[in-house]
Amino acid sequence: DAGVIQSPRHEVTEMGQEVTLRCKPISGHDYLFWYRQTMMRGLELLIYFNNNVPIDDSGMPEDRFSAKMPNASFSTLKIQPSEPRDSAVYFCASSFGTSGRNEQFFGPGTRLTVL
Amino acid sequence: GQQLNQSPQSMFIQEGEDVSMNCTSSSIFNTWLWYKQDPGEGPVLLIALYKAGELTSNGRLTAQFGITRKDSFLNISASIPSDVGIYFCAGQLSGHSGYALNFGKGTSLLVTP
Repeated sequence: DAGVIQSPRHEVTEMGQEVTLRCKPISGHDYLFWYRQTMMRGLELLIYFNNNVPIDDSGMPEDRFSAKMPNASFSTLKIQPSEPRDSAVYFCASSFGTSGRNEQFFGPGTRLTVL
Repeated sequence: GQQLNQSPQSMFIQEGEDVSMNCTSSSIFNTWLWYKQDPGEGPVLLIALYKAGELTSNGRLTAQFGITRKDSFLNISASIPSDVGIYFCAGQLSGHSGYALNFGKGTSLLVTP
């Protein structure tokens, strides 16, 4: 079975540019999570969706960050405009929350470098 | 979110040794998960715990959900070089209506042959 798929795996951009990260969750999962990982702050939850609806976006750092989930098999995280401090690894994870279990499965991540 | 205290921060051991790491929280959790992350990859789920006192094994790995519901530990027996990586604990707060997880800062494990 395919796991969580993320693209691109690596992204290098210049400050001020728009960045779009993509995620395809595991088929049948009803929760999708976006995390950011840095050495200083570890794994931080940015936002999560249930059945394509955003539930908690309190972790989104600022208005430059936005996330969408237009359907059950696709989500995007957009940063516009990007800044050097946004450099991090961004992970998408999904789970089958309706099962009552909270086992989140992570994608391979997108390593973002903003110059 | 609630920050978990994970210790030790790093471990440097010899192949064949047993390893123990733990996570504590000031709040009660109703779920504890343990993940392993290899360099350049996403965290991979190792063990999930859902009941206080629960002891679960996965091969050479054993994890327990603390009876107070505020802690959990992970043991690795007879370590091998491929055990190298960063181990994260994650928990869901009791009474939390959503499914957000809180993560520890990780334990970095190095194993020498």
